[in-house]
Amino acid sequence: DVKVTQSSRYLVKRTGEKVFLECVQDMDHENMFWYRQDPGLGLRLIYFSYDVKMKEKGDIPEGYSVSREKKERFSLILESASTNQTSMYLCASSLQPNYGYTFGSGTRLTIV
Amino acid sequence: DQQVKQNSPSLSVQEGRISILNCDYTNSMFDYFLWYKKYPAEGPTFLISISSIKDKNEDGRFTVFLNKSAKHLSLHIVPSQPGDSAVYFCAARTSGTYKYIFGTGTRLKVLA
Repeated sequence: DVKVTQSSRYLVKRTGEKVFLECVQDMDHENMFWYRQDPGLGLRLIYFSYDVKMKEKGDIPEGYSVSREKKERFSLILESASTNQTSMYLCASSLQPNYGYTFGSGTRLTIV
Repeated sequence: DQQVKQNSPSLSVQEGRISILNCDYTNSMFDYFLWYKKYPAEGPTFLISISSIKDKNEDGRFTVFLNKSAKHLSLHIVPSQPGDSAVYFCAARTSGTYKYIFGTGTRLKVLA
């Protein structure tokens, strides 16, 4: 089974900090994704990557950046954390689009 | 603009009865659809998919129906079990893209 591992389950950071969320997958998937989940808004795509060093903006990229230096690792960066970035962050990977995604367990991030 | 909508935020069903979760979409270019289930503090897990060339797909207790003319998708769970209590997301993509657009989710509660 594909495993997608997010480094932290819970994280509390201060406003203005630079925050790194790490995601690693172990099945050589080309495609990786970062979503955030908020009540009433569902899952919204922040960024995705279809190859090493390749990235594309999703629907809500403002305030975020990403890094994919190695195929298995996809990092989400909050450049200067703000309270409206308090959310559940979900990383996912996929081999092919029709196979859907495998998600990690999520990181509950609180910005205070 | 929400391209994938789940208009019922919550649903309660008695154990053993049928659960019907609905999903509407606006983009006629969507050609592949997924349903995911999510328990609290876990990542979503893939349930079932359907291609736009089909109108039904079945997997055990789960059946997905697609009505392209109405741009409507539904997930039927028969019989419903308490362990099915979770948030259910539908997701859709267009051909040639890797990213899925998710609905806002429906919280299903199956009462014992």
